[in-house]
Amino acid sequence: GAGVSQSPRYKVTKRGQDVALRCDPISGHVSLYWYRQALGQGPEFLTYFNYEAQQDKSGLPNDRFSAERPEGSISTLTIQRTEQRDSAMYRCASSSWASGGANTGELFFGEGSRLTVL
Amino acid sequence: GENVEQHPSTLSVQEGDSAVIKCTYSDSASNYFPWYKQELGKRPQLIIDIRSNVGEKKDQRIAVTLNKTAKHFSLHITETQPEDSAVYFCAASKGNNDMRFGAGTRLTVKP
Repeated sequence: GAGVSQSPRYKVTKRGQDVALRCDPISGHVSLYWYRQALGQGPEFLTYFNYEAQQDKSGLPNDRFSAERPEGSISTLTIQRTEQRDSAMYRCASSSWASGGANTGELFFGEGSRLTVL
Repeated sequence: GENVEQHPSTLSVQEGDSAVIKCTYSDSASNYFPWYKQELGKRPQLIIDIRSNVGEKKDQRIAVTLNKTAKHFSLHITETQPEDSAVYFCAASKGNNDMRFGAGTRLTVKP
């Protein structure tokens, strides 16, 4: 696609339900990041992938959070047994550059998925 | 992982004045330092970046400086305009791996 696509754009769920957030990166992009962003705050690192390999998941808040990118393209961030404190904007970003090379390393962000847990 | 700190959290300047935002990083192995601008309700977008083999980079009214020894880098905006009003984020990474962001600076340019 032309840009990073995230779905759903808005999700309202009840506490205790599971949610799955999807990210479709720019075609051919190697790196894919998940961030969580509170209003007016910087993107908080959650996890990232190079191709299908999850490189670092140290930012995932707890074991209710997981992410996968099985074929090195689309990624899903899953939150199990949601809690009110999980309410936030979840942003995905992709980049064509994994290491070295002539590319800028620019991250292209999606519009985000705003999650509200009631 | 990398820890990036950003100051100030808010900055208000008069149109035409300069604005400076500063960031420090903790991991001496970091070698790529981008700056992103986020307008209200929109996604962050890259405005300028610098690699560790360069001390300064300029693009029209925007410049970034890097001090590897002190592990800090700064964004300089000259001749500010109202459309520069936004939240600015610095970031640091090793290659394009493990990119961490600062908490952001809300810049307001008063006409």
